[in-house]
Amino acid sequence: AQSVAQPEDQVNVAEGNPLTVKCTYSVSGNPYLFWYVQYPNRGLQFLLKYITGDNLVKGSYGFEAEFNKSQTSFHLKKPSALVSDSALYFCAVRGSWGKLQFGAGTQVVVTP
Amino acid sequence: DTEVTQTPKHLVMGMTNKKSLKCEQHMGHRAMYWYKQKAKKPPELMFVYSYEKLSINESVPSRFSPECPNSSLLNLHLHALQPEDSALYLCASSQVEGEKQYFGPGTRLTVT
Repeated sequence: AQSVAQPEDQVNVAEGNPLTVKCTYSVSGNPYLFWYVQYPNRGLQFLLKYITGDNLVKGSYGFEAEFNKSQTSFHLKKPSALVSDSALYFCAVRGSWGKLQFGAGTQVVVTP
Repeated sequence: DTEVTQTPKHLVMGMTNKKSLKCEQHMGHRAMYWYKQKAKKPPELMFVYSYEKLSINESVPSRFSPECPNSSLLNLHLHALQPEDSALYLCASSQVEGEKQYFGPGTRLTVT
């Protein structure tokens, strides 16, 4: 079965510092991976996806993710965090029947 | 238009009430989804419609009844809910099943 794990419940970072949100995956076959962000009392917003090709995927709002097959990871990164990046971040993998399997989520807190 | 809309934004209902949640998209997407989300948790898939036919039902109790009247609309009919059904209900759509999903802002449901 396809699954993803987000090992950190919360990530704290100062504004202007690099932000990394970790995700590891377990799949049979080629992974189809996503990152979504959820601001308070809102729906999820798509950030980026990896299907195949370049291991560095660029997405919305200055985010990027690095696919690493040997480490089965798909970490989300931003070079310089903003206070407005404070939100709940979900990694997801496409599973059987096209269903999205979400990770538990990582709360990002960016302090001024 | 890349928006999924949901009404109402908030809903409070008693355990004997019948109510409906509505979702609409005009992106020409042929797959639509209902998710349930508890606070700080990942969304849980409830139902998937593909080309207006129920494709996936994640063993959801019969007090939740989905309906897809046409390719742009998705309803979730609620009847005899329990307090533990209180949650954020999210609708999403995608071009076809398994592709990038666009989420609506959700309906915050409280069952008293």
